Amino acid sequence: GENVEQHPSTLSVQEGDSAVIKCTYSDSASNYFPWYKQELGKRPQLIIDIRSNVGEKKDQRIAVTLNKTAKHFSLHITETQPEDSAVYFCAASFRDDKIIFGKGTRLHILP
Amino acid sequence: DTGVSQDPRHKITKRGQNVTFRCDPISEHNRLYWYRQTLGQGPEFLTYFQNEAQLEKSRLLSDRFSAERPKGSFSTLEIQRTEQGDSAMYLCASSMETQYFGPGTRLLVL
Repeated sequence: GENVEQHPSTLSVQEGDSAVIKCTYSDSASNYFPWYKQELGKRPQLIIDIRSNVGEKKDQRIAVTLNKTAKHFSLHITETQPEDSAVYFCAASFRDDKIIFGKGTRLHILP
Repeated sequence: DTGVSQDPRHKITKRGQNVTFRCDPISEHNRLYWYRQTLGQGPEFLTYFQNEAQLEKSRLLSDRFSAERPKGSFSTLEIQRTEQGDSAMYLCASSMETQYFGPGTRLLVL
């Protein structure tokens, strides 16, 4: 069945350093890969997404890479700041259909 | 506010009671999704609509759960004979391409 694995479950990074979160997906037909940030008690908010016809996408300090052959995709946050502390979810979907989420990564930015 | 809205934001009920939640999507969005999120987990897909048609339901959606989107605009999710295991955050999302989430309804079943 459809599955998205996400690692690590918790990540602590010194402020100013980079953070990397990795995901794998099982359904080779998946063609859309969004990343959501969720702060405590709030709704998931889309921070970046990538489609299967693109290998990399960047938006300021955030970048996402996709390896379709290996069914891997990753989120990279550079120059981390305290407000980056949150839970990050990777996800995969097919045909703009239902989204299958990973279990999340709790990112702590250390002062 | 032109985002996705949900009502109520919080619901406390006793086991065995029925509850109904409402979701109002972004007006031009034709797709509407329901998810359930428990503490420390990612959102889990429950069901989705394209306009008024319910196109897919998860195995998670037992017979006690029913969702409607009668006019292709707002949607309701009803849980009958609630159980303590139904306690969770119920999230609605809408999309044309990208899914945008509402604030959720937090359900506590006592």
